[in-house]
Amino acid sequence: QSVLTQPPSVSGAPGQRVTISCTGSSSDIGAGSSVHWYQQFPGTAPRLLIYGKNNRPSGIPDRFTASKSGTSASLAITGLQADDEADYFCQSYDTSLRGLFGTGTRVTVL
Amino acid sequence: QVQLQESGPGLVKPSQTLSLTCTVSGGSISTGGYYWSWIRQHPGKGLEWLGYIYYSGDTNYKTSLKSRLVISVDTSKNQFSLRLASVTAADTAVYYCARDVRPVTGDFGMDVWGPGTTVIVSS
Repeated sequence: QSVLTQPPSVSGAPGQRVTISCTGSSSDIGAGSSVHWYQQFPGTAPRLLIYGKNNRPSGIPDRFTASKSGTSASLAITGLQADDEADYFCQSYDTSLRGLFGTGTRVTVL
Repeated sequence: QVQLQESGPGLVKPSQTLSLTCTVSGGSISTGGYYWSWIRQHPGKGLEWLGYIYYSGDTNYKTSLKSRLVISVDTSKNQFSLRLASVTAADTAVYYCARDVRPVTGDFGMDVWGPGTTVIVSS
């Protein structure tokens, strides 16, 4: 079982746009598995941010968007706000439907 | 509104078995399309998928833990459980249960999570 690779950290000033990449392989993302994104604040459980082809659960602002291409996916945050400062994880499945999480990215608002 | 709550000992001795239960409230664990999952997070680290169980009893485990991990379901109590045998300090983590939504029409991510429970493996 492989791990999905994310950059350890990204940062941006308020109002800016940041993107987080999630790199997998032909055995997971590249095999057509969905990619989901989670946001986690310190000391709390992750919450679903985006699922599948850029779908947001109720209450998630449209400043968060996702895309997927080949063996990779990405999350974009536009109009960065102070309360976006958190850890972000991508998640997918391998061809045996076992879950895989990304290594996680800390977003810092400068 | 479905809610999940983990419960179990916060301290386990090395070589013993870690047992946790996740209680589902506000909905039935026997509803189709939901895969009841366990995830853990080592201190200061990322998320690690451990496995899931369907209400029918079908399971799927992380390959490297398959020899030590058992996930079971008790539909009468609306609970599912994790048992991890022969624990070491490397199993010290926050353990989360979550609902993974995967009906036949697609998959929709892990939309409900428990608050997590900290398990420390130490003598």
